[in-house]
Amino acid sequence: DAKTTQPPSMDCAEGRAANLPCNHSTISGNEYVYWYRQIHSQGPQYIIHGLKNNETNEMASLIITEDRKSSTLILPHATLRDTAVYYCIVAIYYNQGGKLIFGQGTELSVKP
Amino acid sequence: NAGVTQTPKFQVLKTGQSMTLQCAQDMNHEYMSWYRQDPGMGLRLIHYSVGAGITDQGEVPNGYNVSRSTTEDFPLRLLSAAPSQTSVYFCASSYNSDGYTFGSGTRLTVV
Repeated sequence: DAKTTQPPSMDCAEGRAANLPCNHSTISGNEYVYWYRQIHSQGPQYIIHGLKNNETNEMASLIITEDRKSSTLILPHATLRDTAVYYCIVAIYYNQGGKLIFGQGTELSVKP
Repeated sequence: NAGVTQTPKFQVLKTGQSMTLQCAQDMNHEYMSWYRQDPGMGLRLIHYSVGAGITDQGEVPNGYNVSRSTTEDFPLRLLSAAPSQTSVYFCASSYNSDGYTFGSGTRLTVV
């Protein structure tokens, strides 16, 4: 499995865009990039995923570089409720049945 | 849909006891997984399943057994509980490449 590198913590002002980076320099051609977040001690919440194209949904946008070695999760207008640990994961979904290996993630603090 | 339901929510065991953590989903998801999360740490994959009758080991499978006799249920068995298994356990399910839906967790303390 490709491994990911994320900064351990980040701060963001409420109402501003939060840009969370992730490096996955050893990613394989058929591995997806997934983002999850975990608020306090709740179960992780799926945010978004992509293969090579940029993706957007109601929660966030995912920007994947052309060489696929890094990606950025963008929360366009961060709120206090977005304070959480954000995990970037790469996975060969179909062949391994969705075997997701979590790293340490980035602890995002949204401040008033 | 109830989503992913985990029972019990809290459990205290004595060292050496066995128990089964239950996980059920009503979304007809093929993929199911079990994770544990120790205080201040990330999630670690214990076992996972790609469908009924098919299971495989994750990162930390020792001391745990699983079976998948139906699509809906994926129980996790602790064979002989140890204090090192004190953790929060999360079950999750997904369909194809869609994101996993996680349960609310079982908080297990082994004394």
